[in-house]
Amino acid sequence: KNEVEQSPQNLTAQEGEFITINCSYSVGISALHWLQQHPGGGIVSLFMLSSGKKKHGRLIATINIQEKHSSLHITASHPRDSAVYICAVRSSGGYNKLIFGAGTRLAVHP
Amino acid sequence: NAGVTQTPKFRILKIGQSMTLQCTQDMNHNYMYWYRQDPGMGLKLIYYSVGAGITDKGEVPNGYNVSRSTTEDFPLRLELAAPSQTSVYFCASSYDRADGYTFGSGTRLTVV
Repeated sequence: KNEVEQSPQNLTAQEGEFITINCSYSVGISALHWLQQHPGGGIVSLFMLSSGKKKHGRLIATINIQEKHSSLHITASHPRDSAVYICAVRSSGGYNKLIFGAGTRLAVHP
Repeated sequence: NAGVTQTPKFRILKIGQSMTLQCTQDMNHNYMYWYRQDPGMGLKLIYYSVGAGITDKGEVPNGYNVSRSTTEDFPLRLELAAPSQTSVYFCASSYDRADGYTFGSGTRLTVV
């Protein structure tokens, strides 16, 4: 079983829909990252959080440390949101590395 | 700022050839990382560096080497390329281990 699991693997939405992408992890962590990978391949950091909730524009990220679960929400989705969204956790075990999920591929249609 | 610059963007290698993937950052970040991304899999750490002159292995270091002679540069060397090294390679950097990462645009490598 992977240490970081994302669901769903693939997601199709109509423009304007509210979208939720989930991330569950099985290790102790010091931080969780949400990343966006554009169709051209570039990776952009969206959020880094260790508790609670963060918001940036139409994107909201939440984390529940007790349940080892995080969600990324996109409100009023737009075709330009189409990308792969990647969850990654920094383990608290002293090894400086991120453990990555396999990503969720989102397609938003007009 | 240029951020993290990777070259080349694409490369085709023959089995047994060698090459160096270049990575440069201009943000004075201490930490630099090399990852590979295979289809359907999460990124895997190849090597990382916490500062000039210091490097360490990640999860999948076999077949690769790195050096960090300056803060800015962190090249990844492939010796004796194998088909299993066909992948997309990303370089990333952060100021320290608790910071967010900045990624390069990636290098798509095919070994035939």
